[in-house]
Amino acid sequence: DVVLTQSPATLSVTPGERISLSCRASESVDTYLHWYQQKPNESPRLLIKYASQSISGIPSRFSGSGSGTDFTLSINGVELEDLSIYYCQQGNSLPYTFGAGTKLELK
Amino acid sequence: EVQLQESGPGLVKPSQSLSLTCSVTGYSITSNYWGWIRKFPGNKMEWMGYISYSGSTSYNPSLKSRISITRDTSKNQFFLQLNSVTTEDTATYYCASQWDYFDYWGQGVMVTVSS
Repeated sequence: DVVLTQSPATLSVTPGERISLSCRASESVDTYLHWYQQKPNESPRLLIKYASQSISGIPSRFSGSGSGTDFTLSINGVELEDLSIYYCQQGNSLPYTFGAGTKLELK
Repeated sequence: EVQLQESGPGLVKPSQSLSLTCSVTGYSITSNYWGWIRKFPGNKMEWMGYISYSGSTSYNPSLKSRISITRDTSKNQFFLQLNSVTTEDTATYYCASQWDYFDYWGQGVMVTVSS
């Protein structure tokens, strides 16, 4: 199975700053890497698909980059509503797998 | 708009079977792929399997022969059955529409395995 390692596990943020979250795959997943946001007591929400493709209805401050084994989710100007857990997920090979998540908290 | 809703018992005894239903509105389950994902206490997420538009299935090998996903196209529902559950199967279970990513999710149902 492809192992996805997310870092950091927790990130303390200040509203307005630009941040980057990392997801590293144990083998190449090409660009079959997707990002989700999960707020407390809500279902996960797809933020970015295929490493960098935007999703309708998702604020433009969210962007993704990378290919192969190294991927980044960036938030340009963190807002309080962004305090959530962020997961990456690979869809290159079965079984589909998720990273352990990065939790954004308020500094 | 595609909407999914899970239903089923919130408490299951060890060694018994867990059975959940996912009701889909706004889209036919004879199109696309439909999956089950679970989130364990502590936030680990696991893809469990899917059923395709044609009724074919694919399962996570970690679940071995315990899992079955079926459907009722007349009701636009698909189902999860997980046999021989243990406390390790305590989780929030989600159904979702999927390709190689998951675009629409149900609200989730928390299932506790306990005697």
